[in-house]
Amino acid sequence: GDSVTQMEGPVTLSEEAFLTINCTYTATGYPSLFWYVQYPGEGLQLLLKATKADDKGSNKGFEATYRKETTSFHLEKGSVQVSDSAVYFCALRGALTGANSKLTFGKGITLSVRP
Amino acid sequence: DTGVSQNPRHKITKRGQNVTFRCDPISEHNRLYWYRQTLGQGPEFLTYFQNEAQLEKSRLLSDRFSAERPKGSFSTLEIQRTEQGDSAMYLCASSLRESARDTDTQYFGPGTRLTVL
Repeated sequence: GDSVTQMEGPVTLSEEAFLTINCTYTATGYPSLFWYVQYPGEGLQLLLKATKADDKGSNKGFEATYRKETTSFHLEKGSVQVSDSAVYFCALRGALTGANSKLTFGKGITLSVRP
Repeated sequence: DTGVSQNPRHKITKRGQNVTFRCDPISEHNRLYWYRQTLGQGPEFLTYFQNEAQLEKSRLLSDRFSAERPKGSFSTLEIQRTEQGDSAMYLCASSLRESARDTDTQYFGPGTRLTVL
């Protein structure tokens, strides 16, 4: 079945540092890929998505590129801020047209950014 | 606020009791999903509805769990004879799926945290 693997956390960075959070997946065909973020005390929010190979999703300075050859969707940001402190989840949606569009999530990783 | 809402936000119950949670999706969203999230894990799919029809249930959804979405609007998730292992955050999400090829974005509610003593 479909699965998502995220790097182990937590991650602690200083403000303005470069961020990479690794995500790899196992799925049939060409799934859609997502990054969700959960800020303290809030619900899950979609951060960015990519629906086909080589697509780049971007939002709020975060980027991730859908790499079919390496089955990866790593999240990057050039300069993190304290306000980026949150839990980040990588997720996929199966490729089969007409199939259930449930999301399969990774375990999540906690990012803490210190001033 | 036009986002997904869930009630109650917190529920503490004793083992063996029944509990019911409610989810109000974003207006006009035709799909509604339930997920469960335990500490240190990502959300896991439980079930989903397209309008009022429940189209799939996960193996995680034992016979003690039942979900409904009457009239294709709000949804309820009931857990009967709760067990300590049911303690988790129960998340609801909704989306608008306009075609089979549509990559509908799921919008999540704040969740209901269940603690079974």
